[in-house]
Amino acid sequence: QKEVEQDPGPLSVPEGAIVSLNCTYSNSAFQYFMWYRQYSRKGPELLMYTYSSGNKEDGRFTAQVDKSSKYISLFIRDSQPSDSATYLCAMNVRGAGGTSYGKLTFGQGTILTVHP
Amino acid sequence: GAVVSQHPSRVICKSGTSVKIECRSLDFQATTMFWYRQFPKQSLMLMATSNEGSKATYEQGVEKDKFLINHASLTLSTLTVTSAHPEDSSFYICSARVAGQLNQPQHFGDGTRLSIL
Repeated sequence: QKEVEQDPGPLSVPEGAIVSLNCTYSNSAFQYFMWYRQYSRKGPELLMYTYSSGNKEDGRFTAQVDKSSKYISLFIRDSQPSDSATYLCAMNVRGAGGTSYGKLTFGQGTILTVHP
Repeated sequence: GAVVSQHPSRVICKSGTSVKIECRSLDFQATTMFWYRQFPKQSLMLMATSNEGSKATYEQGVEKDKFLINHASLTLSTLTVTSAHPEDSSFYICSARVAGQLNQPQHFGDGTRLSIL
């Protein structure tokens, strides 16, 4: 079993739709959670970063973390064709002394297409 | 802020050639940089963690002598693929974490597409 599971899709939605992307994880030591967006032939771009359960909103994006269920989500409101990309969830453990170890574990990535 | 630059973006070379890829943090210092490899339609696979002024830490299965990493300054890490062969063709991506901000996320470069003929 992989430490982080993410449905690879592909996911195709019409413009304006609400998109829900999800990841589950098995390692309860994961404390920091990120969502990255990766366009074709580019490096991942950080979208959201959180370390506590609950919701975090930034513009059209909302990240949700449920540590009790080991489940994280990214919601995209009013999706646009420019949102078409691969979305990667990533997480890492909290190291000794209160510092982050820094080594990320990624989900497989979900390919999203938003069509006009 | 937190811009990571990677160079070159694309390399095509003959088998047996050694290729050097540079990763620079442009507007911050990075004591730790990470090197990843990504195959088409797959996620990122961590190859090694690069620490400024010390030896890199390689992940299991990654050949240290094949993938040489040097992190000589707080803004530059290099990955050298030695005697590259077609099976080394891949997308190589680096990332960096801001020095002193151990709880902050990594920022990624735009990757280097390596093609070995």
